[in-house]
Amino acid sequence: QKEVEQDPGPLSVPEGAIVSLNCTYSNSAFQYFMWYRQYSRKGPELLMYTYSSGNKEDGRFTAQVDKSSKYISLFIRDSQPSDSATYLCAMSAQGNTGKLIFGQGTTLQVKP
Amino acid sequence: DTAVSQTPKYLVTQMGNDKSIKCEQNLGHDTMYWYKQDSKKFLKIMFSYNNKELIINETVPNRFSPKSPDKAHLNLHINSLELGDSAVYFCASSHLAGGPADTQYFGPGTRLTVL
Repeated sequence: QKEVEQDPGPLSVPEGAIVSLNCTYSNSAFQYFMWYRQYSRKGPELLMYTYSSGNKEDGRFTAQVDKSSKYISLFIRDSQPSDSATYLCAMSAQGNTGKLIFGQGTTLQVKP
Repeated sequence: DTAVSQTPKYLVTQMGNDKSIKCEQNLGHDTMYWYKQDSKKFLKIMFSYNNKELIINETVPNRFSPKSPDKAHLNLHINSLELGDSAVYFCASSHLAGGPADTQYFGPGTRLTVL
């Protein structure tokens, strides 16, 4: 079993839809949770970062962490065609010298 | 200005060959990483260097050897290439000593195809 599980999709939604992307994990030592966005044939770029449990909002994006359930989510409101990309969740434990454990990534397509 | 750059962008080679991928960052970061992304988009860390010192060395065949001549450069040399080495290799860098909360900036990737 992988440490981080993420449904690879693909996920196809109409423009303006609310998108929910999720990851589950097994390692209770994870404290830092990130979402990276990767456009086709590009490197991943950090989208959202959350420490421990709770919510964080940035524009149309909201990241949620539920450590009790070992479950994290990324919500995209009013999705746009420019949001079409692969979204990778990533996690790290305290004192872990930058070692990120990634989910498999969910490919999202937003249709105009 | 390119923050993290890699060369080459594409690499097609025969099984058994030896090849190198180069990475350079101009962000002034102390820590650099190599990741491998397979055909299913699964991204896995291979190595990490902090100020030219190896700090992460995952379970990677010893055919893979990273080298950091200075903190702005991290190269990856692969000996005796195998079909299973075909993947996209990403270099990344981060500001601090690779702390867990530190943002990692990725390069554009090197797409390696072994025939």
